[in-house]
Amino acid sequence: QSALTQPRSVSGSPGQSVTISCTGTSSDVGGYNYVSWYQHHPGKAPKLMIYDVSKRPSGVPDRFSGSKSGNTASLTISGLQAEDEADYYCCSYAGSYSLVFGGGTKLTVL
Amino acid sequence: QVQLQESGPGLVKPSETLSLTCTVSGGSISSYYWSWIRQPPGKGLEWIGYIYYSGSTNYNPSLKSRVTISVDTSKNQFSLNLSSVTAADTAVYYCARGSTAAERWGQGTLVTVSS
Repeated sequence: QSALTQPRSVSGSPGQSVTISCTGTSSDVGGYNYVSWYQHHPGKAPKLMIYDVSKRPSGVPDRFSGSKSGNTASLTISGLQAEDEADYYCCSYAGSYSLVFGGGTKLTVL
Repeated sequence: QVQLQESGPGLVKPSETLSLTCTVSGGSISSYYWSWIRQPPGKGLEWIGYIYYSGSTNYNPSLKSRVTISVDTSKNQFSLNLSSVTAADTAVYYCARGSTAAERWGQGTLVTVSS
C-alpha cells in the first residue's frame, strides 16, 4: 500500500485556476469512487473539501471541484483566493477496508 | 455542531504504548465511523484506522500489529492504543468522524516519543 502521488507544490495568482493531481493505481484511485480531498492550514484541523471523487460537503465553495480519470484524481480550484493557500491531501479507498493518503501538495497563491 | 477533542500524554517513552482518547461532543457517537489519522513532523497525513460505533475495526496494514482502536458509547469516546512505539511514531494525532471521508476533525495532539 504505497502513498498516492501528488505534486509537491503548485502555485497560481488570485483569480486563476489551479489543478492538483493525485495518481494511484487500479487498486485504489482507479478501482473505486472513494477519493476525498482535504485542505490543511498548518496548525489547524484538516477540512474535507471533496468526497466520493466530486461531491462537495455543505459550506465548501463551488470554486472547488473534483474529478477522476483512470488512476488519477484531480482537484481544481477556480477563482483562486489568498485564503486558499494551504496544503492539500488526497485520500483513496484502497480495498480491504483500508485507506491511503497522498503525500500532500503545497498551494501558493502568488 | 459535532466537536472532537483528542486527549492523552504528550510524551511517551520508546517501547511503551501510546494511548489517546477522542471525546465527541454535540452529537452521538452512534451510527458513524470514527478514525485516527496522524502527521509526522514535516510529513504528510497517514491513515491509522477506523472503528464503527458497534466496535468493528479496520487498520492500516503497516501498523496493524501494533494498533488497537476501541469505542465506549456510554462515554461518547473512542480510543487509540499504539504499542512498542519508536521515534518514528512521533506525530500530531488527529481523530475524525467518517471513514472514506473524514468530515469532522479534532484539532490534533502532538505526541513525542523520547526517553
